[in-house]
Amino acid sequence: GENVEQHPSTLSVQEGDSAVIKCTYSDSASNYFPWYKQELGKGPQLIIDIRSNVGEKKDQRIAVTLNKTAKHFSLHITETQPEDSAVYFCAANSRGTYKYIFGTGTRLKVLA
Amino acid sequence: EAGVVQSPRYKIIEKKQPVAFWCNPISGHNTLYWYLQNLGQGPELLIRYENEEAVDDSQLPKDRFSAERLKGVDSTLKIQPAELGDSAVYLCASSPLEISSYNEQFFGPGTRLTVL
Repeated sequence: GENVEQHPSTLSVQEGDSAVIKCTYSDSASNYFPWYKQELGKGPQLIIDIRSNVGEKKDQRIAVTLNKTAKHFSLHITETQPEDSAVYFCAANSRGTYKYIFGTGTRLKVLA
Repeated sequence: EAGVVQSPRYKIIEKKQPVAFWCNPISGHNTLYWYLQNLGQGPELLIRYENEEAVDDSQLPKDRFSAERLKGVDSTLKIQPAELGDSAVYLCASSPLEISSYNEQFFGPGTRLTVL
């Protein structure tokens, strides 16, 4: 079945450094790739997304890249801040539909 | 604009007891989802509604789980009877009517269920 793998499972960076989280997906029909941030005790919050007709998208300190050929997509956070500490989930839509397949999450810790 | 509202936020019950979770989606969002999130995992879809119709319940364990969205707005997810393995966070999400496959889903805070 469809699968999304996410790495690393935990990531610690110094404040001000960059963080990169990588995901791979198996369904070649996937065409929408959202990233969610989940803080403790809260639901996932959409932070950025990318569609399959775009290779890169940026929003201030956050960027996402997509390599459709390799079925890879990545989240890049620059100039990290302590408030960036959270669990980040990538997802891909199954068969190009509403159904999201989520990765297993990356716990990011930004050390002050 | 108010987000997705869920209640209760926390629930502790004994095994074999029934439990119900309630969700109020974002106003105007006629698509509603229930997800299960186990500890250390990403959310997994249980059921999806378009208005009052359950259009995908293939992942819902129907022997003990049920859901309803009678008027196409609020929704209730029920477990009867609960088992120890049902301990998890139950998330509700909503999105506007899907006009393409690029639908954004907005999540509520979830209900953390503990079954003793």
